Amino acid sequence: DTAVSQTPKYLVTQMGNDKSIKCEQNLGHDTMYWYKQDSKKFLKIMFSYNNKELIINETVPNRFSPKSPDKAHLNLHINSLELGDSAVYFCASSHGGGVLNEKLFFGSGTQLSVL
Amino acid sequence: GQQVMQIPQYQHVQEGEDFTTYCNSSTTLSNIQWYKQRPGGHPVFLIQLVKSGEVKKQKRLTFQFGEAKKNSSLHITATQTTDVGTYFCAPSRGGSARQLTFGSGTQLTVLP
Repeated sequence: DTAVSQTPKYLVTQMGNDKSIKCEQNLGHDTMYWYKQDSKKFLKIMFSYNNKELIINETVPNRFSPKSPDKAHLNLHINSLELGDSAVYFCASSHGGGVLNEKLFFGSGTQLSVL
Repeated sequence: GQQVMQIPQYQHVQEGEDFTTYCNSSTTLSNIQWYKQRPGGHPVFLIQLVKSGEVKKQKRLTFQFGEAKKNSSLHITATQTTDVGTYFCAPSRGGSARQLTFGSGTQLTVLP
């Protein structure tokens, strides 16, 4: 029943490893996002996809690569993990499709710890 | 670009006291949304304000949008322990959620 679900919830890994976070939404939304929340709670958008196409790509290292196989899924792959990548990563979705004043629906987050 | 300041960053109140968080923008906004994130949880949409001078209420929560559409506030009357969390304003330059930016948040602690 979860509207936006992401896995895993926790991810602990060594520096230099490659890891992926998966996200799925069952709301029928066209647009999906990845946000990063640091230890001070700052929420920053990383990527936005609209119907499988990349719309927003903020200043994010190219070690981060999003992939959207279909509009219900947006995965995030991270290569060569660094200590500074430790954060909570949130997937989100919104209606998209030109709907005005739309709101975001967030997943429960993935807490990434790089050792 | 759009500069958004949210204050205070932290607020500790005694249960029953009131609480207010403010969001100020350097530019005129199209609309503003507010989200709440419980400890260990994810941001959840609370409300959206669109019109100049708009005031909306949800039980003990009162949301205001300034006349110039450059600032907004969230006021909680008689806080309860269930109000604990971080409150984010999310101003938008347009109507699309892709244009939302998030304020730095106000972390509210309610002491019983």
